[in-house]
Amino acid sequence: NAGVTQTPKFQVLKTGQSMTLQCAQDMNHEYMSWYRQDPGMGLRLIHYSVGAGITDQGEVPNGYNVSRSTTEDFPLRLLSAAPSQTSVYFCASSFLKGEPLHFGNGTRLTVT
Amino acid sequence: GENVEQHPSTLSVQEGDSAVIKCTYSDSASNYFPWYKQELGKGPQLIIDIRSNVGEKKDQRIAVTLNKTAKHFSLHITETQPEDSAVYFCAASMGGTASKLTFGTGTRLQVTL
Repeated sequence: NAGVTQTPKFQVLKTGQSMTLQCAQDMNHEYMSWYRQDPGMGLRLIHYSVGAGITDQGEVPNGYNVSRSTTEDFPLRLLSAAPSQTSVYFCASSFLKGEPLHFGNGTRLTVT
Repeated sequence: GENVEQHPSTLSVQEGDSAVIKCTYSDSASNYFPWYKQELGKGPQLIIDIRSNVGEKKDQRIAVTLNKTAKHFSLHITETQPEDSAVYFCAASMGGTASKLTFGTGTRLQVTL
């Protein structure tokens, strides 16, 4: 049982480049979400989804796009990377009804 | 929206002592309060949670208390061990589920021998 799998583990981008952070879960969870973690700021919600075809914005959505075409996958796209997007990104999933949030091990992104 | 404050930001205790981490939240509609432990290089893992219809919950050496009137909740770890060293996050959400959690800023706990 793999849980929540994030790829890549590390990534370095130049300003203006685009990339997609991948997230997959094998627990049949309806809810999936993306958080970013910055020193002294905890984890902040970027985007979330309550099922295939449904996405919504969290606290810090600007500069990021998401889509949910299947239950298992929830990729996060950076269309034009900026240094302010240097962070550790976590994908998390859960059942909608009263289950804990399961986190992946994160992607460390550096934008130069 | 919800705002969660967490204190202290760092905490050092001797092995065997107790550790207490405190959080306050702003939205009285919040009703689910989990605590996560994050070890170096890993994602956060749930260690205990409490819902607003309960005042206290215990799991071996870990307990959480909730005061809805004052809008604060606390994590208590007794008989601390070196493997308890990690960053701990509190969080809050409405709807009784883990959806749209708002996290505190984290507490780095160091248990010294």
